[in-house]
Formats: sequence, structure tokens, C-alpha cells
Amino acid sequence: KNEVEQSPQNLTAQEGEFITINCSYSVGISALHWLQQHPGGGIVSLFMLSSGKKKHGRLIATINIQEKHSSLHITASHPRDSAVYICAVIRSQGGSEKLVFGKGTKLTVNP
Amino acid sequence: SAVISQKPSRDICQRGTSLTIQCQVDSQVTMMFWYRQQPGQSLTLIATANQGSEATYESGFVIDKFPISRPNLTFSTLTVSNMSPEDSSIYLCSVPYGGKFHFGPGTRLTVT
Repeated sequence: KNEVEQSPQNLTAQEGEFITINCSYSVGISALHWLQQHPGGGIVSLFMLSSGKKKHGRLIATINIQEKHSSLHITASHPRDSAVYICAVIRSQGGSEKLVFGKGTKLTVNP
Repeated sequence: SAVISQKPSRDICQRGTSLTIQCQVDSQVTMMFWYRQQPGQSLTLIATANQGSEATYESGFVIDKFPISRPNLTFSTLTVSNMSPEDSSIYLCSVPYGGKFHFGPGTRLTVT
């Protein structure tokens, strides 16, 4: 079993829909990243969370440390939101911090 | 925010040859990570490169295959040696900076 599980693996939505992507993890973490990867391969960090909730524009990320679960929400989705969204947890290991990645959720938003 | 550049952005290489990928950061950073992303897969950590010490490799990756240099706090190279088609991947460097992890644009390698 992977340390970081994302669902769904693939998601297709119509423009304007509310999107939720889920991430569960099984290890102790210091923080969690939500990343966005566009088809060209570049990765952008959307949020880093250690508790509670963060909002940036149409994106909202929440984390529940006790339940080891995080969600990424996109409101009023748009075709330009089409990308792979990756959940990555930050683990402290051997005195350094390392990222452990989920397999990603491929989001397609149709006009 | 740290801005990271990588060279080359992509390359097509012959089996048995080697390719060196460069990663340049616009800020001084202690730690730098090298990742591989095989087609359709998520990122896998190859090694951690700290300036002034030997790189630390993850299970399944060895120095002879993926030698790394880290001559200063803004630069690192990863060499993919004696390449085979299984090495076809995107290779990315990443640094923690300002409380976030930042990623280079990646090097798309195809081995024929």
C-alpha cells in the first residue's frame, strides 16, 4: 500500500463545476503539499499545509491531521485548470525533510 | 520564491551514452533533490544532494548510474550513465526554500 493515496485517479468535469480531489496518507508528516503539473511537465506548488485550511483564488485546500486526510477543492472550474494534481507529504527522515508523492489525479475540464 | 532552471529541457540519446543534466537555482540552498518521473507515473526521489558532502541515494539508485555533483549552493548536475530505453523519463530537480518546495521545469529524456 502506498504511503500517499489519491482519489480519484482521473476526473472529468464540465466548466463551472465544483471539483474535489482527496488525499490520504499513512505516515507521520510535518506538512503536506498540493502540486499542479501541466502537460509540459512543469510543477507548481499550490499550497503547503500543516493544519486547517488555505484559500487562493478559486482553490481551497484543507487538512485534517487526526484523520490523515487532505482535500483540494476547485470552485467554478475552468478548462485551464486541466492538469495533474499531486499530493505530496513532507516526512522528516534522518534529519532531513523529504517529499513522498501520491500518484496524482488527472483533471480534465471541458468547456 | 526560488527560480530554478534546468538544461537541457529535452534530449534524445542513444543507448549506452551518458547525459549530464544541469540545475541552477537563483538563491543559495543547502538541500537539492533529484527526481525521476517515468511515463504515466508520479515522481520518484533519486538522491539528495547537499553542498559539501556526498549525495545520498535512495534504494534502487546507485552513484555509478546517477553520479551527482554539487559544487556550490546554487548549482548541481545529475548524470544518467550508460543509458538504456528504461531511463526514458522526465528528470527534475527540486529545492526547499521559503517554506515550500520548488521544482525545476524538468528535462525530458528519450533513449533510443
